[in-house]
Amino acid sequence: GQQLNQSPQSMFIQEGEDVSMNCTSSSIFNTWLWYKQEPGEGPVLLIALYKAGELTSNGRLTAQFGITRKDSFLNISASIPSDVGIYFCAGHSNAGNNRKLIWGLGTSLAVNP
Amino acid sequence: DSGVTQTPKHLITATGQRVTLRCSPRSGDLSVYWYQQSLDQGLQFLIQYYNGEERAKGNILERFSAQQFPDLHSELNLSSLELGDSALYFCASSVDGGYTQYFGPGTRLTVL
Repeated sequence: GQQLNQSPQSMFIQEGEDVSMNCTSSSIFNTWLWYKQEPGEGPVLLIALYKAGELTSNGRLTAQFGITRKDSFLNISASIPSDVGIYFCAGHSNAGNNRKLIWGLGTSLAVNP
Repeated sequence: DSGVTQTPKHLITATGQRVTLRCSPRSGDLSVYWYQQSLDQGLQFLIQYYNGEERAKGNILERFSAQQFPDLHSELNLSSLELGDSALYFCASSVDGGYTQYFGPGTRLTVL
């Protein structure tokens, strides 16, 4: 099925560093969501975006809905060891009769204390 | 804790068998989604129900079926199991069938 291009695939950083990841689509999206999944757990919703240009924060996390509506970005500031996990983006387009979220393959984040 | 519950947490079975996974959505949520996540893979959407009716279908095999009951809990039935069906199966729920979904802890299925 259709998937989003999420990059980078993995990151290994030092504690305290800032992190940036992004997600791109070939089509326009109306909703972007960012989730985090820790080992053995279900994904947890971090941030939801509903409008082009929207910038939303959740603690040290900030996500943006790209102006072109074909991309979204997630930034984590001053990373800490508990930020470790897989970050997934998901998006939805109103085109056609589409009622499904489209998911990226995830960015795996490792933080070295 | 998202409020979505899934049972069992782990399931080990043999090829050819049939299993049922159960999901209870968050209180007040009308929609339930099922996903499959294989090792090192992203989330593959299987199927969505809204208030008892099927709303959207993804890459769900014919050997798999699901339903949502009047009390809004849902069951995913997997039959004629194959080794490749080993995966994490997640249930998610949303209030109104929208795209902001809350995930349960998952059921890890191992087919031997």
